[in-house]
Amino acid sequence: NAGVTQTPKFQVLKTGQSMTLQCAQDMNHEYMSWYRQDPGMGLRLIHYSVGAGITDQGEVPNGYNVSRSTTEDFPLRLLSAAPSQTSVYFCASSYSGTSGIPDTQYFGPGTRLTVL
Amino acid sequence: AQSVAQPEDQVNVAEGNPLTVKCTYSVSGNPYLFWYVQYPNRGLQFLLKYITGDNLVKGSYGFEAEFNKSQTSFHLKKPSALVSDSALYFCAVRDASGGSYIPTFGRGTSLIVHP
Repeated sequence: NAGVTQTPKFQVLKTGQSMTLQCAQDMNHEYMSWYRQDPGMGLRLIHYSVGAGITDQGEVPNGYNVSRSTTEDFPLRLLSAAPSQTSVYFCASSYSGTSGIPDTQYFGPGTRLTVL
Repeated sequence: AQSVAQPEDQVNVAEGNPLTVKCTYSVSGNPYLFWYVQYPNRGLQFLLKYITGDNLVKGSYGFEAEFNKSQTSFHLKKPSALVSDSALYFCAVRDASGGSYIPTFGRGTSLIVHP
């Protein structure tokens, strides 16, 4: 298994540009989530999904869109990039198994985004 | 609501000495607790978790953590630190009473192990 993959690894955008950060997992996990990591702020949840076709907002959703058309993919869209969105973005997935309880999260390697 | 606090931004320890990285949490119901480690320029890796059962949980790389319900704490420990343990450590909590499928993470503690 490749686990959780993210592309691109690095990206530089100009203010106002849009782009999509890709995330895919091959573990058939129901739950997927997007975080941003900023110095001194830890990980903050942007959006999450509990299954294909179902998404919800996290702590810092403004300026971002998500969709989940398949179990495997969970792309994050920046609608109009702003310098405040300069960050490292992590995608994660988890499964509930027979317990029905979402458990350990598996993280991708991250995308480092700079908005000028 | 669920929240977690890591009161130390940085912990310094000499190689061979025991280490402790502190974590306290707040949930309405029972907690599911996790520790993750992040090495430079990498994603987070799972270390250990407490769901139910024994309060002392053993995980990867010789780490362990003790769940203390009365003190609402879940401190990470290791008897003898290695230089290679130097990394960023995150505590996370999820409220078992439901309503949130995704855990909340602390701000992280940078562990520096000196040779």
